[in-house]
Amino acid sequence: GENVEQHPSTLSVQEGDSAVIKCTYSDSASNYFPWYKQELGKRPQLIIDIRSNVGEKKDQRIAVTLNKTAKHFSLHITETQPEDSAVYFCAAQWGFKTIFGAGTRLFVKA
Amino acid sequence: EAGVVQSPRYKIIEKKQPVAFWCNPISGHNTLYWYLQNLGQGPELLIRYENEEAVDDSQLPKDRFSAERLKGVDSTLKIQPAELGDSAVYLCASSLGEAGDQETQYFGPGTRLLVL
Repeated sequence: GENVEQHPSTLSVQEGDSAVIKCTYSDSASNYFPWYKQELGKRPQLIIDIRSNVGEKKDQRIAVTLNKTAKHFSLHITETQPEDSAVYFCAAQWGFKTIFGAGTRLFVKA
Repeated sequence: EAGVVQSPRYKIIEKKQPVAFWCNPISGHNTLYWYLQNLGQGPELLIRYENEEAVDDSQLPKDRFSAERLKGVDSTLKIQPAELGDSAVYLCASSLGEAGDQETQYFGPGTRLLVL
């Protein structure tokens, strides 16, 4: 069946460093790729998304890249801060179906 | 603008008991989703509504789970009887339902269920 693989499952970085989270998807029909941040005990919140007709999108310290040929997309966080510590989920949507990755727990050490 | 509202936030029950979760989507959002989130995993879709119609319930365990969205606004998800393996977070999300298949979903805070 369709799936989204997300790596790494855990990522620890020093404050100020960059963090990269990678996802691959199986269904080439996927055309929308949101990223969600979920702090402990709170709701998943959209932080950035990308549609299949663009290869890269940036919003301040956060950027997402998409390689449709390789069915691969990545989240890049620069100049990480302690408040970036959370679980990050990627997702791939096609039709009205959304498949989420298993999540990456990011720790930013002060 | 108020976000997606869910209640209760936490629920502890004994196995074999019934339980119900309530969700009120963002005003004007026609599409409503119920997701199951196990510890350390991403959300998994249980059911999706377009207005009052359940258009995707293929992942809903229909022997014990049921859902309704009678007036196309708020929704209730029920489990009867609950099993130990049902312990998880139940997330509700909504989207506008107008832009087709690239719509952003907005999540509620979830209901954390513990079955003893």
